[in-house]
Amino acid sequence: GESVGLHLPTLSVQEGDNSIINCAYSNSASDYFIWYKQESGKGPQFIIDIRSNMDKRQGQRVTVLLNKTVKHLSLQIAATQPGDSAVYFCAETQGRAAGNKLTFGGGTRVLVKP
Amino acid sequence: DAGVTQSPTHLIKTRGQHVTLRCSPISGHKSVSWYQQVLGQGPQFIFQYYEKEERGRGNFPDRFSARQFPNYSSELNVNALLLGDSALYLCASSLLSEAFFGQGTRLTVV
Repeated sequence: GESVGLHLPTLSVQEGDNSIINCAYSNSASDYFIWYKQESGKGPQFIIDIRSNMDKRQGQRVTVLLNKTVKHLSLQIAATQPGDSAVYFCAETQGRAAGNKLTFGGGTRVLVKP
Repeated sequence: DAGVTQSPTHLIKTRGQHVTLRCSPISGHKSVSWYQQVLGQGPQFIFQYYEKEERGRGNFPDRFSARQFPNYSSELNVNALLLGDSALYLCASSLLSEAFFGQGTRLTVV
């Protein structure tokens, strides 16, 4: 499939190491944040989300940190695996209604080296 | 369980033509949103429909239009295609706040 991130910032990480992907968001009114993973030729896939009343949320091998003071979001992937190679996007939105407009960041390509 | 399905998967059109892209949401999801993803960038919001009504519109020209049908499927129409309309068009369906994306339609305008 065609790449979705030919000119994106790239993070190269050794298999088994931890990855940290950063994202700055712009809208102070945003109260819901999501990380998506997009593999070549596919649509974005939900990884983890966090609401603005939290500063940390953990999933399976992933942790999202939210710093509202500096409007910064990060995604930590533990023990990175070859299947984690993809482009990662953060997205922000306001409110809890279904289908609210998502504003996506520019994306980071993660390359996992065996 | 079927996810969000989009058709066609790939499409090549000539400048000035029009195109219709189709999306079937996850069963039970009443909200459908459309996004445009240009190569190397994040998706950009085009439209949101909920219960057949337009609930949101992004910064796209009037050449872009959409509708939602009683079965909650949706169509995105683009008239007078420009080279710059070449992109991956993504459909997302939602029941609550989480959005589930389809694989997209890759539109190439030549």
